[in-house]
Amino acid sequence: KNEVEQSPQNLTAQEGEFITINCSYSVGISALHWLQQHPGGGIVSLFMLSSGKKKHGRLIATINIQEKHSSLHITASHPRDSAVYICAVSPLNSGGSNYKLTFGKGTLLTVNP
Amino acid sequence: NAGVMQNPRHLVRRRGQEARLRCSPMKGHSHVYWYRQLPEEGLKFMVYLQKENIIDESGMPKERFSAEFPKEGPSILRIQQVVRGDSAAYFCASSLWRTPETQYFGPGTRLLVL
Repeated sequence: KNEVEQSPQNLTAQEGEFITINCSYSVGISALHWLQQHPGGGIVSLFMLSSGKKKHGRLIATINIQEKHSSLHITASHPRDSAVYICAVSPLNSGGSNYKLTFGKGTLLTVNP
Repeated sequence: NAGVMQNPRHLVRRRGQEARLRCSPMKGHSHVYWYRQLPEEGLKFMVYLQKENIIDESGMPKERFSAEFPKEGPSILRIQQVVRGDSAAYFCASSLWRTPETQYFGPGTRLLVL
């Protein structure tokens, strides 16, 4: 079992729909990251959070530390949101290796016009 | 303020050749991380470097792979005697401080070994 699990693996939506991508993890963490990767492209860091909720434009990320679960929401989705969304965790580690990100396999989002 | 730069963006090598991947971190960032993304797999940590020091190379294969981050110039990930299984996207990221901290990723180098 992977330390970081994402669901769904693939998601297709119509433009304007509200999107939710889920991430569950099994280790203690110091932070959780949401990243975006366009096909053949680079990786952009969207959020880093360790508690509560963060919002940037149409994107909202939430985390529940007790449940070891995070969600990424996209409101009023648009075709340009089509990308792979990746959840990653910085482990809580007494050895100080919390830089060593562990990644989920990603969720491929396709938003159709 | 330019972002993280990687070159080349695409690299084709024949089996047995050497591959050199370069990463210039964001200005002012002294922490560099290398990750590998194999086809159909998630990203995996390879190595963490600070200027002139390898801090953690636990994710890097023991043979053929090496990394450096000299006092001057970019960080280099070097793969000697490449094999087909080395074909992957290699991403570098940098941060201002040691994480947990937002890591800024480069565009990646796609390595294809023929």
